[in-house]
Amino acid sequence: AAGVIQSPRHLIKEKRETATLKCYPIPRHDTVYWYQQGPGQDPQFLISFYEKMQSDKGSIPDRFSAQQFSDYHSELNMSSLELGDSALYFCASSKNEQFFGPGTRLTVL
Amino acid sequence: KNEVEQSPQNLTAQEGEFITINCSYSVGISALHWLQQHPGGGIVSLFMLSSGKKKHGRLIATINIQEKHSSLHITASHPRDSAVYICAVGRGTDKLIFGTGTRLQVFP
Repeated sequence: AAGVIQSPRHLIKEKRETATLKCYPIPRHDTVYWYQQGPGQDPQFLISFYEKMQSDKGSIPDRFSAQQFSDYHSELNMSSLELGDSALYFCASSKNEQFFGPGTRLTVL
Repeated sequence: KNEVEQSPQNLTAQEGEFITINCSYSVGISALHWLQQHPGGGIVSLFMLSSGKKKHGRLIATINIQEKHSSLHITASHPRDSAVYICAVGRGTDKLIFGTGTRLQVFP
C-alpha cells in the first residue's frame, strides 16, 4: 500500500539559508500535518492543511511557511535557518486518521 | 499536567521478558496511536486503536475508552525492540497530542 512520502530524507544547510521540505500524502487523503521533533524532544505540531486551506496552526515560527497544492502534496518552506531548527520534520496525512511519513532530518550548521 | 502521560519514562529489560508500557490521557479522543522511534530514526506507526485490542506479532495494544488508558505489551522482548515508544491521541482530523515517550532498552 502507498505510504506518506517525504523528501528529502536528509538535508544539511548553513545558518541563514533556506530549506524546502516536501510531503506527498497517501492518495485520496485530503489533510496534511507537519510536526517538528528536536533532539531528545517530543514531536510538536507546526501546521495542518485540509483541502488546500490551512486548518490549524501550532508553534510554527514566522520564518516558516507552508502550503498544500492542488495535488494535495505540501511543502514546508523554512527561511533564515537557525541552529535550533535542526530537527526531524515529519508529516502525516489523513482521510479519517493520521498516517506518518518517515521524516526529513534537517541539520543546520 | 500533560494531556497524555506515559509510564515508565525509561525501561530496561532482559531479552525474553514481557514488557508493558502505559498511556493515560485526559482528553476525548477518536483514536490512539502507538508509535516506535529508533535512535536517529523516523516514526513508525505500530497501532491505531479506537477500542478493544490489537495484536501484531509480539506486540499487543489495548485501550479502555472509559478509563482513558491504553497499554502496549511486548512479549518475548528482543534487543531489536530497543527504541522509544510514543503514545499519541487524536480527535478525528485534529492534530495529534503526543506523550513524552518511553525509552526501552532490551539487553541480551
